Amino acid sequence: QKEVEQDPGPLSVPEGAIVSLNCTYSNSAFQYFMWYRQYSRKGPELLMYTYSSGNKEDGRFTAQVDKSSKYISLFIRDSQPSDSATYLCAMSPNSGGSNYKLTFGKGTLLTVNP
Amino acid sequence: GAVVSQHPSRVICKSGTSVKIECRSLDFQATTMFWYRQFPKQSLMLMATSNEGSKATYEQGVEKDKFLINHASLTLSTLTVTSAHPEDSSFYICSARPGGEQFFGPGTRLTVL
Repeated sequence: QKEVEQDPGPLSVPEGAIVSLNCTYSNSAFQYFMWYRQYSRKGPELLMYTYSSGNKEDGRFTAQVDKSSKYISLFIRDSQPSDSATYLCAMSPNSGGSNYKLTFGKGTLLTVNP
Repeated sequence: GAVVSQHPSRVICKSGTSVKIECRSLDFQATTMFWYRQFPKQSLMLMATSNEGSKATYEQGVEKDKFLINHASLTLSTLTVTSAHPEDSSFYICSARPGGEQFFGPGTRLTVL
């Protein structure tokens, strides 16, 4: 079993739809959770950064973490064609230190159709 | 968010040559930077952690003599792909952390002919 599982999609939705992206993980030590957006041939852009369980909202984006289920989600409201990209979840057990590193999901390719 | 730059954005080279990629933190100092490689439709794979003033830490399976990393200052890390071969063709991305969050550069697309 991979440490982080993410459905690669592709996911295609109409403009204005609510998008739900998800990752599951197996390592119970993960405490810091991130979502990145990556446009084609570009570096990943940090969207959301959360610690432990709970919800975090930023504009049209909401990140949810359920540590008991080892499940994280990213919701995009009122999706726009400009949201079309690959979304990567990432996580780490700590926020720093000599052994810090992020573990990534494979990414979900999202297309929002006008 | 913090800004990380990379240069060049794209490079094409002949097999057997060496290629240097620069990663800079523009608005913060970074004692640690990270180098990733990403193949088409794949996720990011950490290659090594670059440490300012000391040796880089390489992930298992990454050849340290082939992928030379130098972190000479608090704002600059370089990755040199030595004796490049076509199988080294990939998207190389660096990142750095001004605090808890990790920010990525725009990436360098390497094509080895």
